[in-house]
Amino acid sequence: QQPVQSPQAVILREGEDAVINCSSSKALYSVHWYRQKHGEAPVFLMILLKGGEQKGHDKISASFNEKKQQSSLYLTASQLSYSGTYFCGTPTGPGTYKYIFGTGTRLKVLA
Amino acid sequence: SAVISQKPSRDICQRGTSLTIQCQVDSQVTMMFWYRQQPGQSLTLIATANQGSEATYESGFVIDKFPISRPNLTFSTLTVSNMSPEDSSIYLCSVVGTGGIGELFFGEGSRLTVL
Repeated sequence: QQPVQSPQAVILREGEDAVINCSSSKALYSVHWYRQKHGEAPVFLMILLKGGEQKGHDKISASFNEKKQQSSLYLTASQLSYSGTYFCGTPTGPGTYKYIFGTGTRLKVLA
Repeated sequence: SAVISQKPSRDICQRGTSLTIQCQVDSQVTMMFWYRQQPGQSLTLIATANQGSEATYESGFVIDKFPISRPNLTFSTLTVSNMSPEDSSIYLCSVVGTGGIGELFFGEGSRLTVL
């Protein structure tokens, strides 16, 4: 079952904040976040591990609630370069590198 | 990080034909994956390309439709066979980074349009 992201789309002004949520009906072993700009490859942003450890981007933060099977990505003081589609991804099982990706959130930052 | 090159970057194909997509990585990698991204949609894993053995396919994808080769640790091909308009998608090659955290690196994708 594919993780569901919310909102589906969001428009911001530069400097505004945004939160993107990722919710799964199955256990999340870890959560990855990726950003894909139009016509480009998805780019890894960060990983969240069980226990709350984060590794990745230094300008974007995220949280991981294992019990609720949810993760949230926090974009603060948005820049034009933040525009793109954000995907959460999670392994299909423990110890595997096969990922299932969320439904995606389109984010557009306006000047 | 890994640098991944895919060819072709885009193509327009006729119904019933087949097209092979190539993926070249700048370093040896154990795991290579093929994803499909239908227009405006998320990424869906097609298969894992295994070096020296048959690819492992995900539910809904079969070898006859998406044959995969993996002749060495830096190269793989995905063929989309007997194409129909429903196969119009972006096909992305992906590898796991060597940083130990399981991050995926993606190629730029091959955008196929089937008429």
